[in-house]
Amino acid sequence: NFMLTQPHSVSASPGKTVTISCTRSSGSIASNYVQWYQQRPGSSPTPVIYEDNQRPSGVPDRFSGSIDSSSNSASLTISGLKTEDEADYFCQSYDSSNVLFGGGTKLTVL
Amino acid sequence: EVQLVESGGGLVQPGGSLRLSCAASGFTCSSFWMSWVRQAPGKGLEWVANIKQDGSEKYYVDSVKGRFTISRDNAKNSLYLQMNSLRAEDTAVYYCARSTVVTDETYFYYYYMDVWGKGTTVTVSS
Repeated sequence: NFMLTQPHSVSASPGKTVTISCTRSSGSIASNYVQWYQQRPGSSPTPVIYEDNQRPSGVPDRFSGSIDSSSNSASLTISGLKTEDEADYFCQSYDSSNVLFGGGTKLTVL
Repeated sequence: EVQLVESGGGLVQPGGSLRLSCAASGFTCSSFWMSWVRQAPGKGLEWVANIKQDGSEKYYVDSVKGRFTISRDNAKNSLYLQMNSLRAEDTAVYYCARSTVVTDETYFYYYYMDVWGKGTTVTVSS
């Protein structure tokens, strides 16, 4: 099994752009799709990106996903930050017969 | 409206048992894999188990194998998690999630959880 490592926290001002990384410890990041989930305080997780870069219906195009083989990582980018984007974000992938989550990143919109 | 509602959580002593339920509505439960994911207080997400549409395949995280059993009743649009020999480290909010899974019984080739319930809280303490 591999691990997914995320920064513990990131912050940015409203209207700015922020990127959250998710680094795979072993094996290629391109081998298995990466999903991203948003969890607002007191709420359950909801997907914001699936299959590396696809947005579920209803998710604004301010949210985008990508993978970078050179750094073996996936990224979630949120542009035009709004206060409502303040939440925990988790990346998720899978391997063998296990499902793996990153440790989560707390996004603070200052 | 597509919805998942968990129930059955509570306070239980170490070594005790609890059965969680998840009621699905707004979609045909029998068409989807279903998963349980938990979140310990102040911690991240941990996948616990999943079950195929017809119940013929089930997978578990190593830490719950032999103690937890996932099951479903498609006629009732319901998912269950029987938890035995509970430990303090099982304390968490337990979420059920609608899942899309591709597997050959030994390897997951695709795994995406698109609908989540609000969760039910399990506390294991004496």
